[in-house]
This record gives sequence, C-alpha cells and structure tokens, in this order.
Amino acid sequence: SQQGEEDPQALSIQEGENATMNCSYKTSINNLQWYRQNSGRGLVHLILIRSNEREKHSGRLRVTLDTSKKSSSLLITASRAADTASYFCATGAAGNKLTFGGGTRVLVKP
Amino acid sequence: DTGVSQNPRHKITKRGQNVTFRCDPISEHNRLYWYRQTLGQGPEFLTYFQNEAQLEKSRLLSDRFSAERPKGSFSTLEIQRTEQGDSAMYLCASSPADRQETQYFGPGTRLLVL
Repeated sequence: SQQGEEDPQALSIQEGENATMNCSYKTSINNLQWYRQNSGRGLVHLILIRSNEREKHSGRLRVTLDTSKKSSSLLITASRAADTASYFCATGAAGNKLTFGGGTRVLVKP
Repeated sequence: DTGVSQNPRHKITKRGQNVTFRCDPISEHNRLYWYRQTLGQGPEFLTYFQNEAQLEKSRLLSDRFSAERPKGSFSTLEIQRTEQGDSAMYLCASSPADRQETQYFGPGTRLLVL
C-alpha cells in the first residue's frame, strides 16, 4: 500500500516558473526522498532529507520536511522543459525499503 | 558508468505462462530491491536482498512470485501462472553498503499479460 499522498496529482507551468509539490505520509520515518521518473522509465534519485533535518537544497531543488505534520514539499525553481516528469516522494524506514506516494505529474511548457 | 540493468525491457505473455526477469545491480552494491509499479501509481515494494539473503517479502508477493539472488550479484524474479493483474512495470534497484538509504533504479521490465 502507498505510504502517503502527493498534492497536486498534476501540475502544469510555464518554463521559468517555480513548481511546488507536497507529500504527506503516515508513519514514522528515518528519511524522506524525492525521485523523478520520465515517461515509462526508471526512477532517478533527486534528494534525501533525514528525519532530523528541516530543509535541504540541491541545485534548483529545495526540500522541506515537517515531521510534526508528517509532510514534505519539493520546490523546483526556474523550471525547464526538461523538468517535465513525474515526481515521487518515498519514505525510508527499517531495512531501507522505500514506500512511495502516488506521484505528481509535472508538465513544463516551453 | 554502469548502472542497474534489467532484462528484458518488455515482455508480452499469455495468461498462465511463466516469466522470468533479470536484474544486474551496480557492481559491489550489496542490497537489491524489487518493486512493482502499475500505471499512474507509485512503485510498491516487493522484496529485497542483502547479498544472497532475502530479508523481507511484501504481502504483495504471492506464492506465484519467487525471487533469487544466488551469488549475491544478479537477481531473478519469476512469476508463475501469470494473471492479467500481474501486468505492470517491475523495477529493480540497488544500494551500496555505505549509503544504503539511496537506491539506484534500473529502467524496469514492462510486463503485459494477455
């Protein structure tokens, strides 16, 4: 079963705009990760934030984590057409198996 | 750069047939994971290995599914007596011993059961 939900399910923006998506989860976690999946392909790891961290940056990506609300957000700044993909949050627990959300489909229009 | 590879990339089979998928992890990654992803959904965990030991299996992994990693390197996932509900993308991932939290995914095997 899926750990949580992502919001929105789909997002359409113009190139250069920022894209924000949220993820909620249900159980205690060791870390939360974000992955990108281009159409019909494997997942690419973007960023990991540990349960004792609140914010993390990587290039144009900014991730926040609020463990009290069991939620996380991913911000992509200055989006590009190549950012068009599905984005999944995944929570890691014991054994490091990942539990994924349902994903946010992002379309960046040139 | 040799990433995780999976074969075949696509498989079409008739209901009731057996299928086997192979995953070659990144060299020296000791953990290997199998996930299943249906259309429009996120991946769901099936099972994982540390070296050759299968440490956890999801309830999704019915008796018709079996996974092996005999020498702690490549892994196979077999589905016996396939059903139409088995149609999905089967993803393999691996992680290194010193950074087990980060998983590197292969391109997946897309299965269609007719």
